[in-house]
Amino acid sequence: NAGVTQTPKFRILKIGQSMTLQCAQDMNHNYMYWYRQDPGMGLKLIYYSVGAGITDKGEVPNGYNVSRSTTEDFPLRLELAAPSQTSVYFCASSYPRTGGSTEAFFGQGTRLTVV
Amino acid sequence: EDKVVQSPLSLVVHEGDTVTLNCSYEVTNFRSLLWYKQEKKAPTFLFMLTSSGIEKKSGRLSSILDKKELSSILNITATQTGDSAIYLCAAHGGSQGNLIFGKGTKLSVKP
Repeated sequence: NAGVTQTPKFRILKIGQSMTLQCAQDMNHNYMYWYRQDPGMGLKLIYYSVGAGITDKGEVPNGYNVSRSTTEDFPLRLELAAPSQTSVYFCASSYPRTGGSTEAFFGQGTRLTVV
Repeated sequence: EDKVVQSPLSLVVHEGDTVTLNCSYEVTNFRSLLWYKQEKKAPTFLFMLTSSGIEKKSGRLSSILDKKELSSILNITATQTGDSAIYLCAAHGGSQGNLIFGKGTKLSVKP
């Protein structure tokens, strides 16, 4: 039972480099989210998606891009890495049943350092 | 703007103490309130609350939602060092049904 799978777990980037953080879920969830968590802080929403082909900005979208071509995958792209993007990134998914809601399931996180 | 505010931001107690963590929310189209525990890795789910006044309980942890006051509390009785973690509160709602997180409460339980 895989749940939400994030890769890589760790990465060091140089300033100006690009990379894609991968996220896949096998629970047929409609909603997927990308959060970042800075040391000692809560989770800040970067982007989210309510279904394949639909994405929207969260609280801190600058410097990131996403796509949602399938229900399962929700990659996060950093085009020009900056030190301010050093953080732990979490992907999550949830399935809002009609008339209610369910909890979000989280991936194990990607620790990104930009030097 | 939708927001979730947790208090206190950090708390240090001794084993055996009882603690109460607070969460208030201002979220449009509110659906539910969720509590998570985060140790070193990903947050793990504790409770989801949708109805006011109905306590949810799991061992030494319990939580209740007050929709009139737009708030929730998480109680932990007889704390243990293993309860040390960041406790996150999230409201499910907003214009697109997002999960909106608070900053978390960092709980440290000393032996």
